[in-house]
Amino acid sequence: AQSVTQLGSHVSVSEGALVLLRCNYSSSVPPYLFWYVQYPNQGLQLLLKYTTGATLVKGINGFEAEFKKSETSFHLTKPSAHMSDAAEYFCAVRNTGGFKTIFGAGTRLFVKA
Amino acid sequence: DTGVSQDPRHKITKRGQNVTFRCDPISEHNRLYWYRQTLGQGPEFLTYFQNEAQLEKSRLLSDRFSAERPKGSFSTLEIQRTEQGDSAMYLCASSREGDSAYEQYFGPGTRLTVT
Repeated sequence: AQSVTQLGSHVSVSEGALVLLRCNYSSSVPPYLFWYVQYPNQGLQLLLKYTTGATLVKGINGFEAEFKKSETSFHLTKPSAHMSDAAEYFCAVRNTGGFKTIFGAGTRLFVKA
Repeated sequence: DTGVSQDPRHKITKRGQNVTFRCDPISEHNRLYWYRQTLGQGPEFLTYFQNEAQLEKSRLLSDRFSAERPKGSFSTLEIQRTEQGDSAMYLCASSREGDSAYEQYFGPGTRLTVT
């Protein structure tokens, strides 16, 4: 069975500091991996996804993530946090050939001025 | 830009009542998904349609829940005899046909409160 673990339900950084949100997954088949962002009272927006090929994936708003198969990780990073990055972030996994997406519990990012 | 729309955005109902939510996917998308999100958790998969066919259902979808997608366009999710544990955000998403890597586009959700 697939599962996603996000380490840290809350992460707080200062504006301009590095953002690192951790995600580990388990999957018995090669996975597709996703990061979504959710602002209050809104749906989810895709930040980036890994399907095949290059393991370093760049997304919107300056975010990127690296797929590390040996560590079963897909951590999300951004070099310099902005106040507008404050939101809830979800890591998700989907089987290749499947359509059910499994989400982690989410990490709420706080950005301090 | 017409994204996924959901109606209503908020619903307050009394325990035991029936409720129905509607989802309108992006027009060229033939795949549609329902998820449930409770406070402090990520979305949980409920069910998936390809055109009008319901191809996968989660065990979370008890017999009080039913989803339809007549004519393969909009979809409805009905909850009968609501319980307080049904209080959650119900999210709809859609994607186009093809590889399962295609992005699922999410609607804004319907927040259900059962009193």
